[in-house]
Parts: sequence; structure tokens; C-alpha cells
Amino acid sequence: EVQLVETGGGLIQAGGSLRLSCTASGFSVSGYYMVWVRQAPGKGLEWIAFLYSIRDTYYADSVKGRFTISRDASKNTLYLQMDRLRAEDTAVYYCARGPSGYSYGSRFESWGQGALVTVSS
Amino acid sequence: QSVLTQPPSSSGTPGQRVTISCSGSSSNIGSNTINWYQQLPGTAPKLLIHSNNQRPSGVPDRFSGSKSGTSGALAISGLQSEDEADYFCAAWDDSLSGPVFGGGTKLTVL
Repeated sequence: EVQLVETGGGLIQAGGSLRLSCTASGFSVSGYYMVWVRQAPGKGLEWIAFLYSIRDTYYADSVKGRFTISRDASKNTLYLQMDRLRAEDTAVYYCARGPSGYSYGSRFESWGQGALVTVSS
Repeated sequence: QSVLTQPPSSSGTPGQRVTISCSGSSSNIGSNTINWYQQLPGTAPKLLIHSNNQRPSGVPDRFSGSKSGTSGALAISGLQSEDEADYFCAAWDDSLSGPVFGGGTKLTVL
């Protein structure tokens, strides 16, 4: 069974750093298009970063230069390093997986339960 | 503001058919497929419709999707109380080189 579990959320002061982890089971993160999507309180979904291969990483303008997506095949885990956090980064952060054979797209078949990040100003 | 446009709310009574629209542009819906997600209160989104009109295994056939030009729609027939949720459309955007989402539609079953 495919499962994604996010950890690492919490309360952080503006300007600080936090790293989210997304541990996968039932498949290898190395072979799939993986994405981080966030949802601010009471708001819609916003894509922020995705990764297909180690050379294929992309970021939304809102986080470019501050956030870094990466993965560790040996731990079967996807990461999101978040630096220079701002109050507007407060959201639930979800990791999600694309379908087999896809290197991009908006179709995400499996999602984690989400990790809440609260940035205080 | 979201790249794709959805009505913020919709409602219907049990057994009724409701439709939720999703409007985009030539760089997203106009040139790529639409996917729909259902988000029940307090839970993660779940893929409901992919590739414009395909249901993943386990999704009831009460749910259907369509696309025409730069717009799409999600239809729910035989509305049930458990369908009360937020619904989001999504598409790849060629100009932004990333997936984009609608702002979400909160469906209330009266």
C-alpha cells in the first residue's frame, strides 16, 4: 500500500528555518514525480515545489530562493528545506506523488496527511 | 488569487445533480488535462477525476468530469450527504511550468 507521512512541522519565528520530511512506503521516491503543495488556513491549494530527477527541480515564484526540495533514496524520503520563513508561509504542507511514468503534471494519486507550519511574526 | 477560477460555493439537496465549473486559459486547461480533487473536512485532498473525465478505482460513477476549450466541469449526480466537501480543479500550466489549482468550491448538501 502506498503511504506518505509528513513530519517536521511546527511553530517557528519569521526568518527562521524548518525542514519537512515526507517518508514514503509502498514505492520508491526515486522513481516518481514528487511535489510539495501547501494550503494556508481557509484557503486553496498552492503548488510550491516539485522534483522528478535530481536535475529536475522547480519552484513557485513565492518560494524560489528560500525553499529547497530534495530526496534521499536510502531513506525513501522527500524533503523540503524552508529558509527565511515569512508569516505568509503559514500553511499545512502536503507531499504528493504523481502517477507512474509521469515527469510532470497536476495529477497526484497519493497524498500525505499534511504538516502544519506556523510562522510567527 | 488562484490561476484557475471556480465558484466559491455550491449547494444541492440529496439526490440532486450539481455541477462545479473551472475556468482557465490557453496555457493551462486549453492545452492540458484537468484533474479534480475532493477534500473532506480536516483531511488531505483525494484524486477524484483525472485526465478530464477518468475516475480512479473506487470513485463512484456518480462523479464525472468534462472539458471544453479552456473550461471544465465536475458533475455530481445523486447527491449524498457524504459528498459535502471542498472540490478543487487542477491543470498543468505551460507558461508557469508548474501545476495550478482552482480556489476551491465548498459544496453543501442541504
